[in-house]
Amino acid sequence: DTAVSQTPKYLVTQMGNDKSIKCEQNLGHDTMYWYKQDSKKFLKIMFSYNNKELIINETVPNRFSPKSPDKAHLNLHINSLELGDSAVYFCASSQGESYEQYFGPGTRLTVT
Amino acid sequence: AQKITQTQPGMFVQEKEAVTLDCTYDTSDPSYGLFWYKQPSSGEMIFLIYQGSYDQQNATEGRYSLNFQKARKSANLVISASQLGDSAMYFCAMRDLATNQAGTALIFGKGTTLSVSS
Repeated sequence: DTAVSQTPKYLVTQMGNDKSIKCEQNLGHDTMYWYKQDSKKFLKIMFSYNNKELIINETVPNRFSPKSPDKAHLNLHINSLELGDSAVYFCASSQGESYEQYFGPGTRLTVT
Repeated sequence: AQKITQTQPGMFVQEKEAVTLDCTYDTSDPSYGLFWYKQPSSGEMIFLIYQGSYDQQNATEGRYSLNFQKARKSANLVISASQLGDSAMYFCAMRDLATNQAGTALIFGKGTTLSVSS
């Protein structure tokens, strides 16, 4: 039983394309996050949603747009992909103010 | 602003030995949580242990313990009896709890790569 799932696991695409990464959690959590892990393995928050409401919107290019159709899903759409967007993107979820965040397996995005 | 510092890029230990991974943090918030995550070469993020700023005792989870020294602002992870499967990258992270707001993100350190040899 996968708690937090992401599709696809790997994504290779060319510069200028538009792509989406999907995230689903079956834990009944009401808060979801997107983190980016760069080539140096540094993890940084991009967005968080609570009950479909945007809570955190860090300084990321507006080419990145999260969408939360319901509490169990948080998708990430990226327009006009650039080489610097290559990274591993992690989705995570948590329940309210609870401490632990559960991470998905990550999506490795490679832009050529 | 909150900050997590992990000064050890890499650590090496032999099987069955204990190892300490260092983490210092900086925050002006009175209420915060400290976390350790493990990232093996397969890439997933695995939660290991949590310590709240008001917790009186150091957290322990099996072979993992967190050496929490509030005055020094340090939250070192101690792994006892290392195993080959402990070889991975380890991240220290912090979360502000003062606002008590859902959606507060984790702030991560740069990580420490642990290599366990037989």
